[in-house]
Amino acid sequence: KAGVTQTPRYLIKTRGQQVTLSCSPISGHRSVSWYQQTPGQGLQFLFEYFSETQRNKGNFPGRFSGRQFSNSRSEMNVSTLELGDSALYLCASSLIGANNSPLHFGNGTRLTVT
Amino acid sequence: DQQVKQNSPSLSVQEGRISILNCDYTNSMFDYFLWYKKYPAEGPTFLISISSIKDKNEDGRFTVFLNKSAKHLSLHIVPSQPGDSAVYFCAASAKNAGNNRKLIWGLGTSLAVNP
Repeated sequence: KAGVTQTPRYLIKTRGQQVTLSCSPISGHRSVSWYQQTPGQGLQFLFEYFSETQRNKGNFPGRFSGRQFSNSRSEMNVSTLELGDSALYLCASSLIGANNSPLHFGNGTRLTVT
Repeated sequence: DQQVKQNSPSLSVQEGRISILNCDYTNSMFDYFLWYKKYPAEGPTFLISISSIKDKNEDGRFTVFLNKSAKHLSLHIVPSQPGDSAVYFCAASAKNAGNNRKLIWGLGTSLAVNP
């Protein structure tokens, strides 16, 4: 089975721009979660989608948004980028969500905002 | 406020010895705990988990111990191998009002196993 695939692996953007990151979950997995990882802050939960609906949301500003398609693939969008948005963005999928089913992570998208 | 704390940012152990990684939590509603391992340039991979109805779970060289009264869990790796060198994350979850779960993560402990 193919793992979680995130594209692109690396991205460089300028302040004020917007960016879209993509995540393809493991086949059969219906839940997709997004995390931001920065040094000193660990993994910060952004949101979780299940069957095209946002089921859980972290404490991030509205500039961060996401969606899930009928094939469970998910995208995350960040608008009006700030320098502090530079981070590793991780996507994780699971069978039914964080209900005791382990998350399977992709290798992340490294976003650098200059 | 960090609900899941990994107070040791780094740990160095000799190959063949035991590695003990610690994790403390503050929310008594947490009832499921997981450990993940992360290599550089890769996403975290699931290692082992434990439910609050247990106090120990073992999988090969990895054992997780849970002390609910102390709100403390630990991951033991015996024997430690150089390939275990990675960052280890502790995560905890509880059901919310909507009967959903959200994982709360520690900041990680970087383990170095020296040959």
